Amino acid sequence: QKEVEQNSGPLSVPEGAIASLNCTYSDRGSQSFFWYRQYSGKSPELIMSIYSNGDKEDGRFTAQLNKASQYVSLLIRDSQPSDSATYLCAVLGRYSTLTFGKGTMLLVSP
Amino acid sequence: DAGVIQSPRHEVTEMGQEVTLRCKPISGHNSLFWYRQTMMRGLELLIYFNNNVPIDDSGMPEDRFSAKMPNASFSTLKIQPSEPRDSAVYFCASSTGTVNTEAFFGQGTRLTVV
Repeated sequence: QKEVEQNSGPLSVPEGAIASLNCTYSDRGSQSFFWYRQYSGKSPELIMSIYSNGDKEDGRFTAQLNKASQYVSLLIRDSQPSDSATYLCAVLGRYSTLTFGKGTMLLVSP
Repeated sequence: DAGVIQSPRHEVTEMGQEVTLRCKPISGHNSLFWYRQTMMRGLELLIYFNNNVPIDDSGMPEDRFSAKMPNASFSTLKIQPSEPRDSAVYFCASSTGTVNTEAFFGQGTRLTVV
């Protein structure tokens, strides 16, 4: 059974701080990793993808991947109240299907 | 592009009734996924279609659930008979199906079975 594990949170950070979200996965053969953001009552939307070990930056977001440790993380710099949402880590398995973690709720206080 | 379109957005039905959820994927996407989301279990894959053919239905909980994709622009997920434990948000997602592809989600159908 392929698993994706995330701390459910909530993770509370003050506005302007760095939020660090973490994810581990069990399938060592996984090659593609995604972070989705889901606002309450809305559908998940893709914010970052990463395929190679190391860091990938996009604006205030940085995804980090360490395949040896089977670990993926998402850093959000200069956190804003509008970043308050649940962040879902997803791992691409065979058949191009995504397995999702249960998500980490992020709360950014003004 | 209108994105993935699901209907209805909300459905309230009585236990034992048949429920049909509908999905129109993004034009040109050849992979379609049905997910179910609950607080307890998170987002679970129910079934995956590629080029209208079911590839992986191992997530379908039991025989009460069935899914079809008669053509590239339409899919249905049917629950018959429905039970209160089926209450959840059901998402449809589509992708191009290529390597490293990302999935785009519809707005979901919130199903309540009373």
